[in-house]
Amino acid sequence: DTAVSQTPKYLVTQMGNDKSIKCEQNLGHDTMYWYKQDSKKFLKIMFSYNNKELIINETVPNRFSPKSPDKAHLNLHINSLELGDSAVYFCASSGTSFRGAFFGQGTRLTVV
Amino acid sequence: SQQGEEDPQALSIQEGENATMNCSYKTSINNLQWYRQNSGRGLVHLILIRSNEREKHSGRLRVTLDTSKKSSSLLITASRAADTASYFCATVLYAGNNRKLIWGLGTSLAVNP
Repeated sequence: DTAVSQTPKYLVTQMGNDKSIKCEQNLGHDTMYWYKQDSKKFLKIMFSYNNKELIINETVPNRFSPKSPDKAHLNLHINSLELGDSAVYFCASSGTSFRGAFFGQGTRLTVV
Repeated sequence: SQQGEEDPQALSIQEGENATMNCSYKTSINNLQWYRQNSGRGLVHLILIRSNEREKHSGRLRVTLDTSKKSSSLLITASRAADTASYFCATVLYAGNNRKLIWGLGTSLAVNP
């Protein structure tokens, strides 16, 4: 069973559209994250959710909004997509002591 | 803001050789972790070293941490073609209920058969 799964794996969409990426973890972890990896492979943390509360919110545009319906899910919704949003987005989860994060396989978003 | 910096950015070696990657950071940490990312895949956690530890081993991996120099190294011994991947370091700092995670840019390792 996949520990952290995100869908879709690939997403191609036009500028201005609204899209969502879903993430689910079956590890019972209490914290989930969204990361953006740009073309230079730099990983930037976007959001962190602990028990449904946002605890880290880096300076990302407010077009990006995380939505957590429950402890096992953290979805990423993006409004008015821009060319610069093209990247690979990773979902991850970790336990209380953060001894390591488990990552999803990534979603490659291409905005055309 | 703090950023982990790995060097070299790219490394190409022959199978059987050792590969050493370094990571430097700028502020205090609680622990430092190394991850591997195969092309087109998610990141895989390799090893964690706490701030009060100096060296840690896991199979063919050896990690060192020098908090006075704010640096860490990852050594992969007897490399294999399957070790070809990007390697990232991440520093973790606890601040109350928050966990600040800072990632480096990564080192791309190519192991040639």
